[in-house]
Amino acid sequence: RKEVEQDPGPFNVPEGATVAFNCTYSNSASQSFFWYRQDCRKEPKLLMSVYSSGNEDGRFTAQLNRASQYISLLIRDSKLSDSATYLCVVPLADRGSTLGRLYFGRGTQLTVWP
Amino acid sequence: SQTIHQWPATLVQPVGSPLSLECTVEGTSNPNLYWYRQAAGRGLQLLFYSVGIGQISSEVPQNLSASRPQDRQFILSSKKLLLSDSGFYLCAWSVSTSGRQFFGPGTRLTVL
Repeated sequence: RKEVEQDPGPFNVPEGATVAFNCTYSNSASQSFFWYRQDCRKEPKLLMSVYSSGNEDGRFTAQLNRASQYISLLIRDSKLSDSATYLCVVPLADRGSTLGRLYFGRGTQLTVWP
Repeated sequence: SQTIHQWPATLVQPVGSPLSLECTVEGTSNPNLYWYRQAAGRGLQLLFYSVGIGQISSEVPQNLSASRPQDRQFILSSKKLLLSDSGFYLCAWSVSTSGRQFFGPGTRLTVL
């Protein structure tokens, strides 16, 4: 089983729609999680960090289900500018290491159309 | 604030030629540094990481090498490029306790 698995999509939604992306991870010892956004031919940029059951930042909500080893990202009221690839990221489980190594999912592609 | 620089932005090289990509970080001390490669249509692959000057760990056997001659400088090299080395090379830094990584703008390498 891969460390991080995501539905690659693509998701094509109209402006104003609500869309959700799912991600599963294999290492139950992982404590914190991240969602990154990557625009076409650009570097990934941190979108949200998830340290507990979830958090919300404006139109974006990230949820974590540790029992199911499942992370989700919900985008409400989609904008054209939300079109990008969204990467689910899981750190190497904490074993006293301070390396901060991350496992990146392959990403879910989102296109928001007018 | 912290910034990370990579150059060049794009590069086209013939097979068998050498490679040197540079990454520098400003505004932080003793960062963890990483080199990733993203091939077309694929996910990020960790190539090397470094926790300090002269300390390099390699994730996968390959045609590449890395060096960290200064605290905030990370270099990716190859003596002879292969076609399969084409891709988008990303440098990243992190403060170890948080786990979050911040990426440079990347170098798009095409080997012909």
